[in-house]
Amino acid sequence: DGGITQSPKYLFRKEGQNVTLSCEQNLNHDAMYWYRQDPGQGLRLIYYSQIVNDFQKGDIAEGYSVSREKKESFPLTVTSAQKNPTAFYLCASSIAQGANTEAFFGQGTRLTVV
Amino acid sequence: GENVEQHPSTLSVQEGDSAVIKCTYSDSASNYFPWYKQELGKGPQLIIDIRSNVGEKKDQRIAVTLNKTAKHFSLHITETQPEDSAVYFCAASQSSGAGSYQLTFGKGTKLSVIP
Repeated sequence: DGGITQSPKYLFRKEGQNVTLSCEQNLNHDAMYWYRQDPGQGLRLIYYSQIVNDFQKGDIAEGYSVSREKKESFPLTVTSAQKNPTAFYLCASSIAQGANTEAFFGQGTRLTVV
Repeated sequence: GENVEQHPSTLSVQEGDSAVIKCTYSDSASNYFPWYKQELGKGPQLIIDIRSNVGEKKDQRIAVTLNKTAKHFSLHITETQPEDSAVYFCAASQSSGAGSYQLTFGKGTKLSVIP
């Protein structure tokens, strides 16, 4: 089945630790995105990538880092510099740069700092 | 940048009644307006979208209207069913300029359909 897969579903992190959230897609999409979702806040863009080996900061990039070494993969690292990392993280992909088309979302990763 | 306001934040309707969710946007260059449905613990899923060259689009019980002059668009769900209960998000994006093709989301509307 084609789709976008996020793992793990739940993740617990101790304060001061970096953690990496996985996002893989087999839709052959060029563009990939990371969003953060907090209650009552909607979806806020952290980082996006429109092509392999290129990525751009979104609205709330501080304390996060990404890489895009392969078309299929766009991992997000939540660093210790992120002051309030507990949230629901959503990865998405869309077909190509330069096209207003449907974004397909993964099932999300819920990160909790303990 | 773009700013999308969505109202109401919560909405309860009786099964069979209609539900309307409204969004306004700030950037007149925006030309793509999707609506997403998010069920509990899952990622959002596109239910309908509209582009700026169209004023209305319908898909079975769901319809979206767009008023570019007033910069607002609305989601209409008729004959609501319990399975329509979810959080609905509107979004906007543009096809040129800085931040083009990046979706800006509203804060969501939690719809509850009461059997």
